[in-house]
Amino acid sequence: GEDVEQSLFLSVREGDSSVINCTYTDSSSTYLYWYKQEPGAGLQLLTYIFSNMDMKQDQRLTVLLNKKDKHLSLRIADTQTGDSAIYFCAERRGGGNKLTFGTGTQLKVEL
Amino acid sequence: GAVVSQHPSWVICKSGTSVKIECRSLDFQATTMFWYRQFPKQSLMLMATSNEGSKATYEQGVEKDKFLINHASLTLSTLTVTSAHPEDSSFYICSARGLDMNTEAFFGQGTRLTVV
Repeated sequence: GEDVEQSLFLSVREGDSSVINCTYTDSSSTYLYWYKQEPGAGLQLLTYIFSNMDMKQDQRLTVLLNKKDKHLSLRIADTQTGDSAIYFCAERRGGGNKLTFGTGTQLKVEL
Repeated sequence: GAVVSQHPSWVICKSGTSVKIECRSLDFQATTMFWYRQFPKQSLMLMATSNEGSKATYEQGVEKDKFLINHASLTLSTLTVTSAHPEDSSFYICSARGLDMNTEAFFGQGTRLTVV
């Protein structure tokens, strides 16, 4: 199948951790990405993980990959108001060049 | 990270006219550029992939005669929306990848097109 699914909306309190989930269907995915999009702007690459890894940590960001279940998550520690944005996961399949994006999760950080 | 600049950021045009959007890689040579379209509160839909010096590869359902893509140099790709109509109003985003970039594609800031 083609779908990369994400929950639409997540609300957290400032200082808490946020966990954004993504499920994909193509087992040939080589790289999986997380992008951040602020209103009216393009996409900013946050982090990525190669499909033979199960975890990657980069400062406040932790990516977990469960290849068996085709489940990817992004954990943001100590979430700040500046983290409010839409987060997209994306997969790069096989030896291909293009990315398939998820539906996007809007993260709202409340004081 | 590498910088990709898109111009203009927003444009309003009359129905029936054509609009050109530029995508430039500022500090690397972009062997491949991608053009996406994003509707409000929706994900990015890939329209076409272009490699420098060759014809663009369009995704299914995208009219190549309506969305003209030119990738004449390693730092510039253009998307021209020909005979624009209100239904073409959308957010258009480009991304670019260099030859030595196996993992990343860098995105422009997007262009908001409104056709009236």
